[in-house]
Amino acid sequence: KAGVTQTPRYLIKTRGQQVTLSCSPISGHRSVSWYQQTPGQGLQFLFEYFSETQRNKGNFPGRFSGRQFSNSRSEMNVSTLELGDSALYLCASSLDSTETQYFGPGTRLLVL
Amino acid sequence: GENVEQHPSTLSVQEGDSAVIKCTYSDSASNYFPWYKQELGKGPQLIIDIRSNVGEKKDQRIAVTLNKTAKHFSLHITETQPEDSAVYFCAASKGTGGFKTIFGAGTRLFVKA
Repeated sequence: KAGVTQTPRYLIKTRGQQVTLSCSPISGHRSVSWYQQTPGQGLQFLFEYFSETQRNKGNFPGRFSGRQFSNSRSEMNVSTLELGDSALYLCASSLDSTETQYFGPGTRLLVL
Repeated sequence: GENVEQHPSTLSVQEGDSAVIKCTYSDSASNYFPWYKQELGKGPQLIIDIRSNVGEKKDQRIAVTLNKTAKHFSLHITETQPEDSAVYFCAASKGTGGFKTIFGAGTRLFVKA
């Protein structure tokens, strides 16, 4: 069974731009969570989607948004990029609320 | 707020020795505690997990213990090998109606050959 895939793997943007990241969960998994990983703040929860509905949200500004499609694929969008948004963005999928999450390789975003 | 403290931040051991990483969580409603290993350039990989109705779980060289009263859980790696070198994260989750997993800051483990 294929694992969680994320595209693109690397991205360079400039301040003020917006970016969309994509995540394809493991086949059959309906829950997708997004995390931001930085050296200073570690792994921080952004939000979780289940069956196209956002079920949980972390403490990030409204510039960070996401959605999930009927095939469970998910996208996250960051608008008006800031230098501090430079990070590794990780997506994790799980079957449902069984709590076992499997992570993708991440998208490394650099904001200049 | 919800918090998971992880110690030590760096751990260096000789090949064949044991390594122990400790975590403390603040939310007593947490009921699921996974451990992840992250190698350079990769996403975290689940290595073992434990639920609040279990005190200990073992998988070959890896074991996890949970003390609900103290809100404390630990990862034990025995007979360490150079390929165990990585960053290890503990996490705590309530897992009800969706995830809001809180991660520890991570422990960088070096296993010297």
